[in-house]
Amino acid sequence: EAQVTQNPRYLITVTGKKLTVTCSQNMNHEYMSWYRQDPGLGLRQIYYSMNVEVTDKGDVPEGYKVSRKEKRNFPLILESPSPNQTSLYFCASSPWGDEETQYFGPGTRLLVL
Amino acid sequence: KQEVTQIPAALSVPEGENLVLNCSFTDSAIYNLQWFRQDPGKGLTSLLLIQSSQREQTSGRLNASLDKSSGRSTLYIAASQPGDSATYLCAVGDGGATNKLIFGTGTLLAVQP
Repeated sequence: EAQVTQNPRYLITVTGKKLTVTCSQNMNHEYMSWYRQDPGLGLRQIYYSMNVEVTDKGDVPEGYKVSRKEKRNFPLILESPSPNQTSLYFCASSPWGDEETQYFGPGTRLLVL
Repeated sequence: KQEVTQIPAALSVPEGENLVLNCSFTDSAIYNLQWFRQDPGKGLTSLLLIQSSQREQTSGRLNASLDKSSGRSTLYIAASQPGDSATYLCAVGDGGATNKLIFGTGTLLAVQP
């Protein structure tokens, strides 16, 4: 089944404790990205990657890191999480091109205490 | 800066009713527009993708229209069912290097049996 998977789905952590949210897609898509969703603000792009070893900042990159060492994986790293990073996170992937639908993962709900 | 607005924020209708969800955007220079459905715990599901050169797309009971000049899109749902209850998100694709989607905050739809 073609899909985008994220792990973990739910995470409670404390301020300053490094964490990684994994994202994997099995559709051989070049493009991958991360969004966060907050009430009243909608989804906002954090980082994106056009292909392996090519990443760039989205609209809200502060406090996050990413890497793209393999085509299928695009982990999101929070080196020192803070309470304002409490949010619902989505990973997305698509083939490259304006006419292509983007496929989203199920989301990771993060609570930083 | 592109802004996407969805009105109303919430809508409740009786089963069987036809309904229209609205989306407006401030910059008509878009590459595409997508409508998504968001169910709790299940991520986002793409419903329809309209390219900037197109005026509408149809899938089953769903029809989405796009009027770039007025900065509007509508999602028409025919013969609504309780299973249509979800949050519907409109997203404008800005194409280019980022391939970013700019989301509205959604319309929460409840279809009453």
